[in-house]
Amino acid sequence: DAGVTQSPTHLIKTRGQQVTLRCSPKSGHDTVSWYQQALGQGPQFIFQYYEEEERQRGNFPDRFSGHQFPNYSSELNVNALLLGDSALYLCASSLRGGYGYTFGSGTRLTVV
Amino acid sequence: GQQLNQSPQSMFIQEGEDVSMNCTSSSIFNTWLWYKQEPGEGPVLLIALYKAGELTSNGRLTAQFGITRKDSFLNISASIPSDVGIYFCAGHSSNTGKLIFGQGTTLQVKP
Repeated sequence: DAGVTQSPTHLIKTRGQQVTLRCSPKSGHDTVSWYQQALGQGPQFIFQYYEEEERQRGNFPDRFSGHQFPNYSSELNVNALLLGDSALYLCASSLRGGYGYTFGSGTRLTVV
Repeated sequence: GQQLNQSPQSMFIQEGEDVSMNCTSSSIFNTWLWYKQEPGEGPVLLIALYKAGELTSNGRLTAQFGITRKDSFLNISASIPSDVGIYFCAGHSSNTGKLIFGQGTTLQVKP
């Protein structure tokens, strides 16, 4: 039973570029949440998708957007990349309203 | 917004010692979770607490949900080298659906 899978594992982008990160939830899960984890910090909630709609959003600018597909997989898009966007981006899946989100191993994004 | 204060920030202990870390918040949470994160990996759930006052164990780990619903602690007994990692508390609010994380406690164990 596959857990949460994220791709790519590592990525290097230049300031001003755009990036798309991908996530496949754990089998049986229908909700996907995205987190940004800066070095030495706890994960910060970006947004949550359920039934292909953004349900909750954290304090992140509109440069951060997402999408959920009918198979429950999800994408995180970041436009106009800044150096400060360099972080580990984590995807977590769950059942709607369920606790104990299951996390993927993350995508390490470096903006240069 | 909601914020969790986790302490201590780091710990360096001898193998066999017991460890205690805690998390406090200015907000009430419906659920407290404790995660462990190792280098290059995402957080892994250790213990979930659903009721105020609840005390739950998972092997050598014990965690409690504070009666005020604004705090939680995690104890690790008889630490071993594989306990090394970063431990995060997280609070879940059913109102917002958001999972809010503390800043983490880095644990190092000396054999």
